[in-house]
Amino acid sequence: KAGVTQTPRYLIKTRGQQVTLSCSPISGHRSVSWYQQTPGQGLQFLFEYFSETQRNKGNFPGRFSGRQFSNSRSEMNVSTLELGDSALYLCASSLSGSPSGNTIYFGEGSWLTVV
Amino acid sequence: QKEVEQNSGPLSVPEGAIASLNCTYSDRVSQSFFWYRQYSGKSPELIMSIYSNGDKEDGRFTAQLNKASQYVSLLIRDSQPSDSATYLCAVNEVGNEKLTFGTGTRLTIIP
Repeated sequence: KAGVTQTPRYLIKTRGQQVTLSCSPISGHRSVSWYQQTPGQGLQFLFEYFSETQRNKGNFPGRFSGRQFSNSRSEMNVSTLELGDSALYLCASSLSGSPSGNTIYFGEGSWLTVV
Repeated sequence: QKEVEQNSGPLSVPEGAIASLNCTYSDRVSQSFFWYRQYSGKSPELIMSIYSNGDKEDGRFTAQLNKASQYVSLLIRDSQPSDSATYLCAVNEVGNEKLTFGTGTRLTIIP
């Protein structure tokens, strides 16, 4: 069974540009979440999508947005990039709705460097 | 106040010994608890999940949950050099996919 797949794995962008990251969840998983990981702030929740609807949102500015498609694949977008957006962006998927809890699996991440 | 707290370490343990990692959380509605292992430059890998009070064992790993005291721990028996990594504690509520992470404990197994 394929895991969570993220593309691209590595990218370098210039301040002010925008970036789109893509995530394909584990087959059958309908919930997709995005996290940002930086050395200073650790792992922080960005948002979560289920059935094409955003269910949860973290404390990030509106420059960070996302969406989910009918096949559960998801994209996140960061506009007007800042140096501080340099981070590892992780996508996670889960079955959601499991009565025994929501086991969440991470993809390998997209390393974004803003210069 | 941080919602999930871990000792950042580094924690050094001799090879073959037991490594003990601890985590406390502040939100009493937290229902699901996870331990992730993260090697440098890699993404978090799920090691254990635990939902009920008590112990849960999986190979060399044992997770312990005490909801009354709001702590969850991870024991690694017969520690191996390959266990050297950062261990992240995460919690969420039932029906809520948002994970709240601790800052992680860096574990080093000394050969």
